[in-house]
Amino acid sequence: SQQGEEDPQALSIQEGENATMNCSYKTSINNLQWYRQNSGRGLVHLILIRSNEREKHSGRLRVTLDTSKKSSSLLITASRAADTASYFCATSDAGTYKYIFGTGTRLKVLA
Amino acid sequence: EPEVTQTPSHQVTQMGQEVILRCVPISNHLYFYWYRQILGQKVEFLVSFYNNEISEKSEIFDDQFSVERPDGSNFTLKIRSTKLEDSAMYFCASSEGGDWTEAFFGQGTRLTVV
Repeated sequence: SQQGEEDPQALSIQEGENATMNCSYKTSINNLQWYRQNSGRGLVHLILIRSNEREKHSGRLRVTLDTSKKSSSLLITASRAADTASYFCATSDAGTYKYIFGTGTRLKVLA
Repeated sequence: EPEVTQTPSHQVTQMGQEVILRCVPISNHLYFYWYRQILGQKVEFLVSFYNNEISEKSEIFDDQFSVERPDGSNFTLKIRSTKLEDSAMYFCASSEGGDWTEAFFGQGTRLTVV
């Protein structure tokens, strides 16, 4: 079954604007991670948020987690052209040794 | 900064041939993973490995696949008899702990089966 589902599938914004991406999941999780992938390249780890945390910040990134709604959001503030990439959430269920990736949001930041 | 390294970056192989994809995880990490991403599709979990044995595997990881940690640093994925549908980007990842720590990914090996 689908675990992480990102929303929107694609997002196009102007440089300097904020970008918000959402991730919904179905099961009880231990943690949720966000990754960035530039076209055809590797997965870059952005941030991990644990199930007992509600919000985390890292530079221009802000991640929230609502376990009651089974959803997370990634906010990129003051976006730059270099932020153009696909963004994925990955969840880890309790007692498992794997991360399940969502379908991703393709972000395009226009200069 | 420590990173996961994968070799080769690109491999082309004939259908039916065996391939071995190599990974060097981050040195103090204990959990290792292989994922794959078919072009334009989701990143899919293949297998996780801890304490010299498979912890978990997906339905994709059938008898054609195997993993090994042949020495203290390398972690390999072997596909015994490649099929066209094995063409994908294969990612290795490692994490210090289990599911409570960050998983760091390598740059991937693009496998093309012809």
